[in-house]
Amino acid sequence: QVQLQESGPGLVKPSETLSLTCTVSGGSISSFHWSWIRQPPGKGLEWIGYIYYSGNTDYNPSLKSRVTISVDTSKNQFSLKLISVTAADTAVYYCARWVGHFDFWGQGSLVTVSS
Amino acid sequence: EIVLTQSPGTLSLSPGERATLSCRASQSVSSNYLAWYQQKPGQAPRLLIYGASSRAAGIPDRFSGSGSGTDFTLTISRLEPEDFAVYYCQQYGTSPLTFGGGTKVEI
Repeated sequence: QVQLQESGPGLVKPSETLSLTCTVSGGSISSFHWSWIRQPPGKGLEWIGYIYYSGNTDYNPSLKSRVTISVDTSKNQFSLKLISVTAADTAVYYCARWVGHFDFWGQGSLVTVSS
Repeated sequence: EIVLTQSPGTLSLSPGERATLSCRASQSVSSNYLAWYQQKPGQAPRLLIYGASSRAAGIPDRFSGSGSGTDFTLTISRLEPEDFAVYYCQQYGTSPLTFGGGTKVEI
C-alpha cells in the first residue's frame, strides 16, 4: 500500500517561500505522476500541479508564476515551493499520486501565512 | 479551464435514503475523465469513482457513478451513517485539473 507523508513548516511569513516535501513509502516514485493540491480552511480543493518522476511538470495557470515542483527519486520524495506567499495561500496542502485521478493521498499539512 | 458546478450545495437526508449528487461541467469532459471523492472532517479526500462510473478499490457497491459529456451523477443507493460527508467531483481530461465546489450530505 502506497503511503504519502507531507512535511515542512506550519507557519510562513508573508512574502516568503512556502516549502513542503512529500515522502512516498510502500512503493517507488518511478513511473508515476505526483501532485500537490491545497484546501483553504472551510473551502474546496485546488490543484496546484504535478510532476512525472522523470521531471516533467504541469502547473495550474493561476499559480504557475510562483510554483516549482521537483522530484528526488533517490529519496522517493517530491517537493513544492511557492514563492511570495500571502494570507490567501493559507491552506491544508496535500500531496497525492496522480493516475489521472488521485488514488493515494497524504494526510495533509496545514500551512498558515502570518507575520 | 473547465468549471465544475455541483448541486445541491447541501443535501439533508436520513440513513437508508438514496442520495443523488450532480456535477455539471462548463464544457465536455474528455473521455469521461471524471472522478468523485468523499471527504470527512479533518481527513484527506478518498477516491470513490473514476472514469465517471468505475468504483475504486474497496468502495462499497452502494456508491455508483454515471453520466457523460457535461452531466455526471454520483448515487448512494442507501445511506449509511459513515456516508455523511462532503463529496467532490474532479475532471482530469483537460489541464488544468479542476474540482467542483462540493456537496455536503448531512443528516
